Amino acid sequence: GAVVSQHPSWVICKSGTSVKIECRSLDFQATTMFWYRQFPKQSLMLMATSNEGSKATYEQGVEKDKFLINHASLTLSTLTVTSAHPEDSSFYICSARSWTVSPDTQYFGPGTRLTVL
Amino acid sequence: DAKTTQPPSMDCAEGRAANLPCNHSTISGNEYVYWYRQIHSQGPQYIIHGLKNNETNEMASLIITEDRKSSTLILPHATLRDTAVYYCIGQASGSARQLTFGSGTQLTVLP
Repeated sequence: GAVVSQHPSWVICKSGTSVKIECRSLDFQATTMFWYRQFPKQSLMLMATSNEGSKATYEQGVEKDKFLINHASLTLSTLTVTSAHPEDSSFYICSARSWTVSPDTQYFGPGTRLTVL
Repeated sequence: DAKTTQPPSMDCAEGRAANLPCNHSTISGNEYVYWYRQIHSQGPQYIIHGLKNNETNEMASLIITEDRKSSTLILPHATLRDTAVYYCIGQASGSARQLTFGSGTQLTVLP
């Protein structure tokens, strides 16, 4: 149980275009979802936290107008990278949490590798 | 969340036990110790967590010192597939906040 999926697993896009990444909790309802970013040889850095039906809370330094997060249902959150540039190339990972799942902790998706040309 | 300190890298022979240490001297009484691992180019995977008693599951064992200032994750029979970055994280159970990842320990299992 507690499986989280992401789609797509990898994406290549041109500079200036927008990319949408989906995160789904497959067998549980996630009250909270988190979006992380990971650059090569670095640890995961939290970008934002979102609760279903509420606006996301962004970490300091993360542009909310550039990284649009929509948590429309208890099983789906999306991250849209708008007007992507090469410096946005990174590994994006979502996670989901629910107090109904045991153990009560965060469960992570497999990640999405974004390459902006 | 508690600050944790882990060695940057460790090697282990295949089939042997891998013992990964973590110092968390500032951990507070209601904070659990969580262990995750991240295999290259994948999302982190939950391994185990504990408060003060030793814990064991199908993946690993967690030994927490009596003063709770440090812990050791034990993989009893390491395989090549256990090669990954292992993260030790302190957080209060039931917290809605995010897990904060440090730099972790790169475990390399050698054939």
